[in-house]
Amino acid sequence: KAGVTQTPRYLIKTRGQQVTLSCSPISGHRSVSWYQQTPGQGLQFLFEYFSETQRNKGNFPGRFSGRQFSNSRSEMNVSTLELGDSALYLCASSLGTGTHQPQHFGDGTRLSIL
Amino acid sequence: AQKITQTQPGMFVQEKEAVTLDCTYDTSDQSYGLFWYKQPSSGEMIFLIYQGSYDEQNATEGRYSLNFQKARKSANLVISASQLGDSAMYFCAMREVGRDDKIIFGKGTRLHILP
Repeated sequence: KAGVTQTPRYLIKTRGQQVTLSCSPISGHRSVSWYQQTPGQGLQFLFEYFSETQRNKGNFPGRFSGRQFSNSRSEMNVSTLELGDSALYLCASSLGTGTHQPQHFGDGTRLSIL
Repeated sequence: AQKITQTQPGMFVQEKEAVTLDCTYDTSDQSYGLFWYKQPSSGEMIFLIYQGSYDEQNATEGRYSLNFQKARKSANLVISASQLGDSAMYFCAMREVGRDDKIIFGKGTRLHILP
């Protein structure tokens, strides 16, 4: 069974640009979550989608947005990029949203802002 | 207040020894799930073990076990017979029920296994 696939693996952008990251969950998984990981802040929750609906959102500005498609694939968009957006962005999928269901992570997209 | 606390930023352990990574959590829910993840230097997050709040027995998965003490709100990860490949960052996480039921991660413990 294929794992969670994130594309691209690496991305270099400049300030002010926008970026779209993609995540394909494990087949059959309907929940997709996004996280930002930086050395200083650790792993911070961005948002979670289930059946194309955003269920939860972390404390990030409106420049960070996402969506989920009917096949459960998800995209995350960051507009007007800032230097502080440089981070590893991780996507995770799970079968559902129950407390007993672990999330399975992709390898991440490493975003660097110049 | 932090919901997940991992008090050990870093640990050094001799190969083949057992190691315990601490995790305490804060919740008023009766139903919740606790998870441990491993993140090697390559970056991927690997799910290790799960413990449900209603589970009466401690969870075990191969060399990993979870020392669950509900009254103390403690969910420590125990790795038996550590190996060099166990060197990694380890994260404790919790998911509650309710409207705000996102998974919350601790800040992690970096484990170094010494040969």
